[in-house]
Amino acid sequence: AQTVTQSQPEMSVQEAETVTLSCTYDTSESNYYLFWYKQPPSRQMILVIRQEAYKQQNATENRFSVNFQKAAKSFSLKISDSQLGDTAMYFCAFMMSSNQFYFGTGTSLTVIP
Amino acid sequence: NAGVTQTPKFQVLKTGQSMTLQCAQDMNHNSMYWYRQDPGMGLRLIYYSASEGTTDKGEVPNGYNVSRLNKREFSLRLESAAPSQTSVYFCASSPFSDEQYFGPGTRLTVT
Repeated sequence: AQTVTQSQPEMSVQEAETVTLSCTYDTSESNYYLFWYKQPPSRQMILVIRQEAYKQQNATENRFSVNFQKAAKSFSLKISDSQLGDTAMYFCAFMMSSNQFYFGTGTSLTVIP
Repeated sequence: NAGVTQTPKFQVLKTGQSMTLQCAQDMNHNSMYWYRQDPGMGLRLIYYSASEGTTDKGEVPNGYNVSRLNKREFSLRLESAAPSQTSVYFCASSPFSDEQYFGPGTRLTVT
């Protein structure tokens, strides 16, 4: 069975600082995709960043980057220059080759002014 | 281009009542999904449809049924609602091997 673990239920960061959210997963598949989603208070799920497992290069989207360690099955999200609008729940997600998704339990991030 | 739409946005049911949550997408995606979100539990997959004409159980299918009416629409039915089904329900769609696009969610309360 596939599992996704986010071990940090809550985190906080000062505005303009950098924060890293952790995610580990367990699978026997070799081809898969990993995602980070953001859920602000509006409840809308928004894609932050994606990573294909076959790509060794870590994905980057503006202030968001990942540290993908395939052997360790780790997929952490780094947010640089944190902004107040980054306050949200963040979910790590894993997609199998069958298109089935698994989500972690989320990390609630608060950016402090 | 509306993306993924869900109706209704809010619903209150009495125990034992039935209802259908509707979901539609206009992005020509093959796969569609239904999740429930509960505090501290993240999103849990109820059912998914990898393509038109197919449906499969997810992690928590008990008490639910689904219909993939056509490529655009994927409905979720509660035949006899129970308080344990109080949750926020999200529909999502995805092209093959790519990210999911989510609807705005339905907050369901069963009393």
